[in-house]
Amino acid sequence: DAGVIQSPRHEVTEMGQEVTLRCKPISGHDYLFWYRQTMMRGLELLIYFNNNVPIDDSGMPEDRFSAKMPNASFSTLKIQPSEPRDSAVYFCASNSGPNQPQHFGDGTRLSIL
Amino acid sequence: AQSVTQLGSHVSVSEGALVLLRCNYSSSVPPYLFWYVQYPNQGLQLLLKYTSAATLVKGINGFEAEFKKSETSFHLTKPSAHMSDAAEYFCAVSDLRSGYSTLTFGKGTMLLVSP
Repeated sequence: DAGVIQSPRHEVTEMGQEVTLRCKPISGHDYLFWYRQTMMRGLELLIYFNNNVPIDDSGMPEDRFSAKMPNASFSTLKIQPSEPRDSAVYFCASNSGPNQPQHFGDGTRLSIL
Repeated sequence: AQSVTQLGSHVSVSEGALVLLRCNYSSSVPPYLFWYVQYPNQGLQLLLKYTSAATLVKGINGFEAEFKKSETSFHLTKPSAHMSDAAEYFCAVSDLRSGYSTLTFGKGTMLLVSP
């Protein structure tokens, strides 16, 4: 079975540019989560969706960050404009419901110069 | 609010030695608990899950964890470490505030295995 698929795996861009990260959850999973991982702050939940609807975006750091889930098989996390402090590994995860294990993608390593 | 504490950001063992990674949680209700492993440049992978069916939970790669309600602990163990076990390990608890939809993660413990 295909797991959670994220693209790109690596992204290097200059400050001020728009960045779009993509995620395809596991088929049949109703919940999708976006995380950010850094050495300083560890793993942070940014936003999560249930049935394509954003439920809690309180973890989104600033208005520069936005996330969408136009259908059950695709989600994007966008940063506009990007800043060097946004450099991190961004993970997408999905599961089938409360108390179920989350399945993680391999992440996107983002570097903002 | 629920929280997870992992004692020790780094744990070093020799190959063949016992592995013990500590996790304590705070929760006002019986929790669902998880251990994940993260290898370099990869996402988190589920090792095992506690769902109240049994206090001793067996996971993949020879790992197991024991739920102790009196100690609010869910420590991860493996009788004999292998070089391939070197990775970062995360303990997590389902978060009551989100109706158990989200996980609260500990800060992780890096396991180092020496020959």
